Amino acid sequence: KAGVTQTPRYLIKTRGQQVTLSCSPISGHRSVSWYQQTPGQGLQFLFEYFSETQRNKGNFPGRFSGRQFSNSRSEMNVSTLELGDSALYLCASSFIAGPNTGELFFGEGSRLTVL
Amino acid sequence: QQQVKQSPQSLIVQKGGIPIINCAYENTAFDYFPWYQQFPGKGPALLIAIRPDVSEKKEGRFTISFNKSAKQFSLHIMDSQPGDSATYFCAASGSGSARQLTFGSGTQLTVLP
Repeated sequence: KAGVTQTPRYLIKTRGQQVTLSCSPISGHRSVSWYQQTPGQGLQFLFEYFSETQRNKGNFPGRFSGRQFSNSRSEMNVSTLELGDSALYLCASSFIAGPNTGELFFGEGSRLTVL
Repeated sequence: QQQVKQSPQSLIVQKGGIPIINCAYENTAFDYFPWYQQFPGKGPALLIAIRPDVSEKKEGRFTISFNKSAKQFSLHIMDSQPGDSATYFCAASGSGSARQLTFGSGTQLTVLP
């Protein structure tokens, strides 16, 4: 069974640009969550989608957005990139919504560098 | 109130030692406490999880101890091996506004051969 797939794995952008990251969850999983990982702030929750609906959102500015498609694949977008957006963006999938209802399976992440 | 405080930041033990990582929380709405293990270049992977109705849970060499009254929980790794060298994150989640996973800051564990 294939794991969570995130693309691209690495990317470099400049300030002011925008970026779109993609996540394909494990087959059959309907919930997708996104996390930002940085050395200073650790792992921080961005948002969770279940059946194409945003179920929960973390404390990030509106430049961070996401969506989920009918096949459960998800994308997140960051507009007007800032240097501080450099991070590893992790996607996690689960069978049902809510992390305390079951295991979250993480992908290997997309490492974004903003110059 | 959403924070999960984790210590120590780093830990070095000899093979066979028993590293202990501690976490504390304040939000009483938390009712699920997982531990994740992350190797360099990989995403976190669930190691073991506990709910507050039990005080201890063991899975292989990994044990979670949970103290509900103190709002603390810890991870013990028995007979640690060099392959256990990784970063360990505690986390917590609950209902309502606490339903997303809140992670601790992580502990970088090194097990020397």
